[in-house]
Amino acid sequence: DAGVIQSPRHEVTEMGQEVTLRCKPISGHNSLFWYRQTMMRGLELLIYFNNNVPIDDSGMPEDRFSAKMPNASFSTLKIQPSEPRDSAVYFCASSFAGRGGRNEQFFGPGTRLTVL
Amino acid sequence: GDSVTQMEGPVTLSEEAFLTINCTYTATGYPSLFWYVQYPGEGLQLLLKATKADDKGSNKGFEATYRKETTSFHLEKGSVQVSDSAVYFCALSDYGGATNKLIFGTGTLLAVQP
Repeated sequence: DAGVIQSPRHEVTEMGQEVTLRCKPISGHNSLFWYRQTMMRGLELLIYFNNNVPIDDSGMPEDRFSAKMPNASFSTLKIQPSEPRDSAVYFCASSFAGRGGRNEQFFGPGTRLTVL
Repeated sequence: GDSVTQMEGPVTLSEEAFLTINCTYTATGYPSLFWYVQYPGEGLQLLLKATKADDKGSNKGFEATYRKETTSFHLEKGSVQVSDSAVYFCALSDYGGATNKLIFGTGTLLAVQP
């Protein structure tokens, strides 16, 4: 299994530009999570989906952030417009939820975003 | 709500020293407990887990025992190596939870010197 795939691995953009981060979860997993990691705030859960439906987006910092999961094998996190304080590493993780699920999340390698 | 508290780092040890990273939790139900490790420049990886009281999770020489009476899940290793240098996260999830949401601690940086 290829694991959770994220793209791009690195993104450098200018303030005000739109940024789209992509994630492909592990096949068969039905939960998907977006996290943000910074030195100041540590690891933060932004939003998670169960069976492609957003369950809790209370961690999304502002309306500039949006996430979609159009099908079981793809999700996007979009920032529009981007700001320098959005600079962070963004992780996607997936797991299998439900009876018999092991509650274990598998993380992707992350996207390092730098907003100038 | 549920929460995880782990000792602040950095923890600096010499190679072959004994490691303990403390983790305590607060939960209303019967959570599963996890330790994740993050090596520099990488995502988090599951190190070990325990799903019920008195369970011991172990992997790569690391161990942690689920202690319900003290609500703790301390990580231990008898002899650390330089390659163990990483950030370690303690986490919990509700037992049988339908969403698999994890609550993470703040992470503890371990630096092992040769």
